Amino acid sequence: AQSVTQPDIHITVSEGASLELRCNYSYGATPYLFWYVQSPGQGLQLLLKYFSGDTLVQGIKGFEAEFKRSQSSFNLRKPSVHWSDAAEYFCSGSSNTGKLIFGQGTTLQVKP
Amino acid sequence: NAGVTQTPKFQVLKTGQSMTLQCAQDMNHEYMSWYRQDPGMGLRLIHYSVGAGITDQGEVPNGYNVSRSTTEDFPLRLLSAAPSQTSVYFCASSSKGTGGGSPLHFGNGTRLTVT
Repeated sequence: AQSVTQPDIHITVSEGASLELRCNYSYGATPYLFWYVQSPGQGLQLLLKYFSGDTLVQGIKGFEAEFKRSQSSFNLRKPSVHWSDAAEYFCSGSSNTGKLIFGQGTTLQVKP
Repeated sequence: NAGVTQTPKFQVLKTGQSMTLQCAQDMNHEYMSWYRQDPGMGLRLIHYSVGAGITDQGEVPNGYNVSRSTTEDFPLRLLSAAPSQTSVYFCASSSKGTGGGSPLHFGNGTRLTVT
């Protein structure tokens, strides 16, 4: 069955430190992959997406993600975290059936 | 641009009551969908539509009905509300559907409580 898994429910990092949020997927073929961010009380905003080609994709707000087929992963990274990055982050994947499946989400807390 | 508009923002229902969550988009998107968000479970797809007159079930369709009579509107109906339907509901749309690789545009959500 198709699935997207985010192993870390909650992560805390210090402001200025680097960040990596993990995402693993299970699809028969390479899916379309997305990262979204949700601030409290808000809807989801797209950070970046991967369709094909270059496996390192750049997104908004200084985020990037790397697609690794051998590891079935699509981890989100940021070199230096800002306090405003505190939010919940969702990895998601879609096959050509059109259903977008989300991971469970990772809550990021940023320490001053 | 209004984008995706959901109404109401908050709703409290008693068990057994019915209601409709409204969703409208002004981007001429073919694809629309409904998700529910529960703590620790991410977003789960309820129903989706790839165009007017076409709907299909997602991961958790039971207890919900949808219809798509126009491109702009995609209402979600709860026929007999149950406490298990207490959740935050999000409507989302995209131009080609995520199967075509188009990202979703989300509304701000409806927080529903069923007592």
